[in-house]
Amino acid sequence: EVQLVESGGALVQPGRSLKLSCAASGFTFSHSYMAWVRQAPKKGLEWVATISTRGTTTYYPDSVRGRFTISRDNAQGSLSLQMNSLKSEDTATYYCARHGERIHFDSWGQGVLVTVSS
Amino acid sequence: DIQMTQSPASLSVSLGETVSIECLASGAISNDLAWYQQKSGKSPQLLIYGTSRLQDGVPSRFSGSGSGTRFSLKISGMQPEDEADYFCQQSYLYPLTFGSGTKLEIK
Repeated sequence: EVQLVESGGALVQPGRSLKLSCAASGFTFSHSYMAWVRQAPKKGLEWVATISTRGTTTYYPDSVRGRFTISRDNAQGSLSLQMNSLKSEDTATYYCARHGERIHFDSWGQGVLVTVSS
Repeated sequence: DIQMTQSPASLSVSLGETVSIECLASGAISNDLAWYQQKSGKSPQLLIYGTSRLQDGVPSRFSGSGSGTRFSLKISGMQPEDEADYFCQQSYLYPLTFGSGTKLEIK
């Protein structure tokens, strides 16, 4: 069974940094593209970042490019999201997700809450 | 960027009724369209990908159709456990984008 378990959520002040982690199990982690997707309170879903199997290629939307960095450790089966220069609009539940072969998201973690507020 | 316009925003239906939710893409996305269900307080779950391919374990009352820019999700016979938010997502181009969601409730 695929399991994705996020950690690292917190209350942080605007302008500060935070790193999220995701522990993956139940599948061959190194064979899957991985992603982060977020959901602001009572809002819809927003894709945040994607990383290729070897970590050599990353993708971001304009809203986070240059501030967020996705990375992975295939030996440990872990995914990370380094978030810098946080803004109030980054407040959301962040989900770790596995990409399927059609670049959809076929497995999701339980999510972790990040609140950016002074 | 591809914008996904989803309708309706909310829907109230009776048990056993057939439901249809639509997604319109601002540009052609081939058949690279997925649908997700999110129950209250839970993570999203994949229902359909590649427009019409049912994810393992998803009941056959769910189906997807469409091509190009117009897509739809159909629930044939609303069940109590289908009360949830539903989102479409295009996987044709980065940035990956979602529809704004449909809140489906039982009347």
